[in-house]
Formats: sequence, C-alpha cells, structure tokens
Amino acid sequence: RKEVEQDPGPFNVPEGATVAFNCTYSNSASQSFFWYRQDCRKEPKLLMSVYSSGNEDGRFTAQLNRASQYISLLIRDSKLSDSATYLCVVNSNSGYALNFGKGTSLLVTP
Amino acid sequence: DAGVTQSPTHLIKTRGQHVTLRCSPISGHKSVSWYQQVLGQGPQFIFQYYEKEERGRGNFPDRFSARQFPNYSSELNVNALLLGDSALYLCASSSWDPRETQYFGPGTRLLVL
Repeated sequence: RKEVEQDPGPFNVPEGATVAFNCTYSNSASQSFFWYRQDCRKEPKLLMSVYSSGNEDGRFTAQLNRASQYISLLIRDSKLSDSATYLCVVNSNSGYALNFGKGTSLLVTP
Repeated sequence: DAGVTQSPTHLIKTRGQHVTLRCSPISGHKSVSWYQQVLGQGPQFIFQYYEKEERGRGNFPDRFSARQFPNYSSELNVNALLLGDSALYLCASSSWDPRETQYFGPGTRLLVL
C-alpha cells in the first residue's frame, strides 16, 4: 500500500466553482502534512501546511483528520490560474523525508 | 534572496554512463534533500543530508550516491544509468531543522537513451 494516496483526477471545473481534493496516508506516526502545487514541468511549491485544527489561506482551506488518516484541500471560487497538479505530502517515519502522493490534476476552464 | 539552484537544467545521457547533478541550497539552509520524479508520479525521496552527513536514504539502488560540501551545496551521482533513470531530479533545502518546510529547486531533467 502506498504511503500517500490521492485521486489523480483530472478534475475539470468552471471558473468560480468549488473543488475538493482528498488524500489518505498510511503512517499513523506522521507529524507534518502539506499541500504542494506543481505547474507543468516546474518544481513543486508549498501551497500550505495542514494543521490538526484545520487552516485557511484565502480561498484555500485544508483539513486534517488524524483518526481517519485523511487530509483534504478545498478551493473556493476557482481561478484559471489554479490549474495545476496538487500534491498531498506527509513526512516520513523519520520525520525527515517527504512522502508525496501522485498528485491530483486540476483544470479550471473559462 | 536566491532560491535553490540546480545545474544543469537538462541533460541527455546514454545507458551505462554516469551523471553528476548539483544543487545549491537557499542561503542559511543546512539541509539538502534529493527527490526523483518520473512522469505522472509524485517525487520520490532519494537522500537527505544535514551538516554534511547523510540523515536518510530512500529505496534506491547503490548506483545512486550523494554528498554535501562544507558550503552546504550538494551533488547527486548516478552510475551505470538505466533507461528508467530518466526523470526530473529535484533538490530541496530546509533550515537547520530538516523537518521544516522544504523548498524545491527547478530540477534537472535527465533523459537516458
């Protein structure tokens, strides 16, 4: 079983839509959780860290459910510029390495 | 401030050859990690170095090796290249605590023919 699993999509949504991505992780000892964004042929960039209490950054809301080992990302009022691959990331057993999901592809259309 | 830099940006090699990839971390960062990303997959952890010592190693064969220099820059070496080594190789740096946010460089795109 892969350490981090995501629905690969693609998700095709119109501008202004709300879209949610989900992710599950297998290592219950994981301590740090992130969403990274990756544009085509570019490096991953940190979108936001995910905290147990849930956190929001503008149009983006991340939630963590440790009991279910489940992480989510909600994007409200989608923009064309949100089109990218969203990577769910969990730190490893050692706490040093990052384990990435395969990524979920989002395409926002006019 | 400059971000993480990597060289070269692109590289074409043939099977059996050897390659060296280079990375300079963000100024002040002491930890460097290397990841391999093949098409359609998320990045996979290869190595992490902190203060010139290997802190972690992913599930990669011994053909992969790395080192970190006194100025915290790093090299990733791959020997006896295989077609399956074709990928984007990403370097990430973080501050004194390697568990903190990792910032990625633009990557080196390696094609093995």
